[in-house]
Amino acid sequence: DVKVTQSSRYLVKRTGEKVFLECVQDMDHENMFWYRQDPGLGLRLIYFSYDVKMKEKGDIPEGYSVSREKKERFSLILESASTNQTSMYLCASSLSLQSNQPQHFGDGTRLSIL
Amino acid sequence: AQKVTQAQTEISVVEKEDVTLDCVYETRDTTYYLFWYKQPPSGELVFLIRRNSFDEQNEISGRYSWNFQKSTSSFNFTITASQVVDSAVYFCALSDPTNQAGTALIFGKGTTLSVSS
Repeated sequence: DVKVTQSSRYLVKRTGEKVFLECVQDMDHENMFWYRQDPGLGLRLIYFSYDVKMKEKGDIPEGYSVSREKKERFSLILESASTNQTSMYLCASSLSLQSNQPQHFGDGTRLSIL
Repeated sequence: AQKVTQAQTEISVVEKEDVTLDCVYETRDTTYYLFWYKQPPSGELVFLIRRNSFDEQNEISGRYSWNFQKSTSSFNFTITASQVVDSAVYFCALSDPTNQAGTALIFGKGTTLSVSS
């Protein structure tokens, strides 16, 4: 089975801090994704990556950056955390560039910015 | 523009009732894929099913069944004889081949299903 592991289930940080959310997948998947999930808004794509060192903006990239130095690891960075970034963050991976591939998700990180 | 609408925000049923979760999508593409995911209280989204736009056969897997109707752009999900363990948020999603990677999904806002005993 595919395993997508997010480093923290719960995280509390302060406004202005630089925050790193880590995600690792163990199935040699090409694509990795970061979403945020908010009540009433569903899942919104922040960034995705289709290869090492390659990244593309999703629907809501403002205030975020990403890093993919190794194929198995995709990091989401909040450069200067703000209270409106309090949310559930979900990482996902998928096998290839074909659009029929399902995405496999981690357990999520519930981030609170105080 | 691609869009997925799950009009039902919350549904509550009693165990053993059948329940249908609606999903309506919009796309300009002739080839696309539709997905259903389940998110239990633990938080992880679990992949349930994938359907391509050329396959309109209904699918049944145990108590779960899916009805894909291209004519009405709908991909509805029915749970027969619901159980408490079915309580979760269910998401319908559409593949978005217009982006560079071709694999990003567009999600509906989800339907929260509560099954009581």
